[in-house]
Amino acid sequence: GAVVSQHPSRVICKSGTSVKIECRSLDFQATTMFWYRQFPKQSLMLMATSNEGSKATYEQGVEKDKFLINHASLTLSTLTVTSAHPEDSSFYICSASNTHRGNRYEQYFGPGTRLTVT
Amino acid sequence: ELKVEQNPLFLSMQEGKNYTIYCNYSTTSDRLYWYRQDPGKSLESLFVLLSNGAVKQEGRLMASLDTKARLSTLHITAAVHDLSATYFCAVRDDKIIFGKGTRLHILP
Repeated sequence: GAVVSQHPSRVICKSGTSVKIECRSLDFQATTMFWYRQFPKQSLMLMATSNEGSKATYEQGVEKDKFLINHASLTLSTLTVTSAHPEDSSFYICSASNTHRGNRYEQYFGPGTRLTVT
Repeated sequence: ELKVEQNPLFLSMQEGKNYTIYCNYSTTSDRLYWYRQDPGKSLESLFVLLSNGAVKQEGRLMASLDTKARLSTLHITAAVHDLSATYFCAVRDDKIIFGKGTRLHILP
């Protein structure tokens, strides 16, 4: 149990276009989802926290108008990178937790999405 | 602000040797996590430590937690090449904060 999927796993796009990444909890309801980005050989940096049905909370320094997060249902959150630039190229990882489950502090990580902006 | 520090950041060791990775954190927390990441992959959960004195073992890896010292260790016993990966500790505040990771390279 507690499987999180991401789609796509890899995407290449041109500068100026927008890219949407989906994060789904497959066998549980994710009341909270987290979005991270990871540059090569670096740690994970939390971008934002989203709760189902409410606006995402962005970390300091993350542009909310550039990284649009929607958590419209208990099993789906999306991250849209708008007007992508090469510096947005990164590995994006989502995680999900269910605060109603017994182990409510556990986060389950998706497999990641490798974004390359050319 | 919660800070998580790991050391060493890079470790190259011979197969069969033992070694320890250290994780210090700056404020009290009720959860400490250890994850493994292989190149190009996402995170694999290894351990969740919940209380002072907690010790968990899985194969050649053993993790422990000292909440008073705000220190966790990940001990590797008789390392094998398959354990080569990056290991992250992470601590829960109101969100999970990651250390910088320890890149472990085990030489055959």
